[in-house]
Amino acid sequence: DSGVTQTPKHLITATGQRVTLRCSPRSGDLSVYWYQQSLDQGLQFLIQYYNGEERAKGNILERFSAQQFPDLHSELNLSSLELGDSALYFCASSKGTLGTGELFFGEGSRLTVL
Amino acid sequence: AQRVTQPEKLLSVFKGAPVELKCNYSYSGSPELFWYVQYSRQRLQLLLRHISRESIKGFTADLNKGETSFHLKKPFAQEEDSAMYYCALSARKTSGSRLTFGEGTQLTVNP
Repeated sequence: DSGVTQTPKHLITATGQRVTLRCSPRSGDLSVYWYQQSLDQGLQFLIQYYNGEERAKGNILERFSAQQFPDLHSELNLSSLELGDSALYFCASSKGTLGTGELFFGEGSRLTVL
Repeated sequence: AQRVTQPEKLLSVFKGAPVELKCNYSYSGSPELFWYVQYSRQRLQLLLRHISRESIKGFTADLNKGETSFHLKKPFAQEEDSAMYYCALSARKTSGSRLTFGEGTQLTVNP
């Protein structure tokens, strides 16, 4: 499958812990976007990377960080986890910086913080 | 700052009836608007974009700058249209870009 892949699909952890979510973009896509979807909320933009560089930032908490590696995969690190961080985290990719507005989404990583 | 509002979380219609999913936006620049759809057990995917002025799966959406709206319409709903629909706005800056999504409308088309 050459689409956007995210791992893990599901993750259960405890408050105070740290987790890393991984995303591989579509083949040829240089931009990676991270979104958070909590209960009763829409997709909240967290951060965008383009070819390894941070390009746009949303309301990403200081406890969260991300990076994009030379092979273009990206990781979202969530630390000092709180109950409210439980959410579905989506990764999306695009060829450039959203020229046509089409993002290709992964299936998401569901994080549960107990 | 940009904002997208979808006033209806849930919308239920009967097969063959017209359907309209509402979307309003606020943005100081020139907006680029999109509708994304997520069918059951599938990924979120682009349905249509205002700049293309196209009809996809019978759906159309017209950008009304005066009313700051981008409502999605279909004259005759089908059961396979049941899905979650998200309106999105692109705010492009020189350094990067983002899509701002509304909270989504769950459309159910009843037989």
